[in-house]
Amino acid sequence: QVQLVQSGAEVKKPGASVKVSCKASGYTFITYDITWVRQASGQGLEWMGWMNPNSGDTAYAQKFQGRLTMTRSTSTSTAYMELSSLTSEDTAVYYCARRGLLLHQEDVWGQGTTVTVSS
Amino acid sequence: DIQMTQSPSSLSASVGDRVTITCRASQSFSTYLNWYQQKPGKAPQLLIYAASNLQSGVPSRFSGRESGTSFTLTISNLQPEDIATYYCQQSDSFPNTFGQGTKLEIK
Repeated sequence: QVQLVQSGAEVKKPGASVKVSCKASGYTFITYDITWVRQASGQGLEWMGWMNPNSGDTAYAQKFQGRLTMTRSTSTSTAYMELSSLTSEDTAVYYCARRGLLLHQEDVWGQGTTVTVSS
Repeated sequence: DIQMTQSPSSLSASVGDRVTITCRASQSFSTYLNWYQQKPGKAPQLLIYAASNLQSGVPSRFSGRESGTSFTLTISNLQPEDIATYYCQQSDSFPNTFGQGTKLEIK
């Protein structure tokens, strides 16, 4: 079945970086885009950015410019999200999602990865 | 950026009721508007895409409609399993902004 499986929970110190993986299976990885969304505890969904796994093209939300990097490995069908210069405000659950090329809908989501930033 | 204003922020209704959630966009865009349901501790799930298309496997009591820059999600015949938070999202232009969410409770 189609699924996205994310890496496990992370605890980081302020100023550090975190890299979350999102492994796709059950479909051809390069035929769908990948979106990353995060959610702080008790808060709403926040769009972080988008990547086309075929070309490697990316687009990031302005608030993350300069410290967010999205990459992929087509050989392992895995997308990566790396966020640097972490602060306590980056404590959240991070989700990857598959996005349709034609109608731009996120139809399959990973299970989420909890990132905790604490000294 | 396109801002999505979602209302109400919370809603209490009875089983069998008809419920409507609205999202208004700050500017017009093509019909790339999605609705998601999120239950506590779970990832969001796609309900409606392109404003009015029902995602495969989603019960037909969920429907979406577009009217200019206003989008509505309607749940007819509300069921206990519909307790969740609902979000709209425009996916027309980056950043793909979400509404603030509507928390739905059963009376």
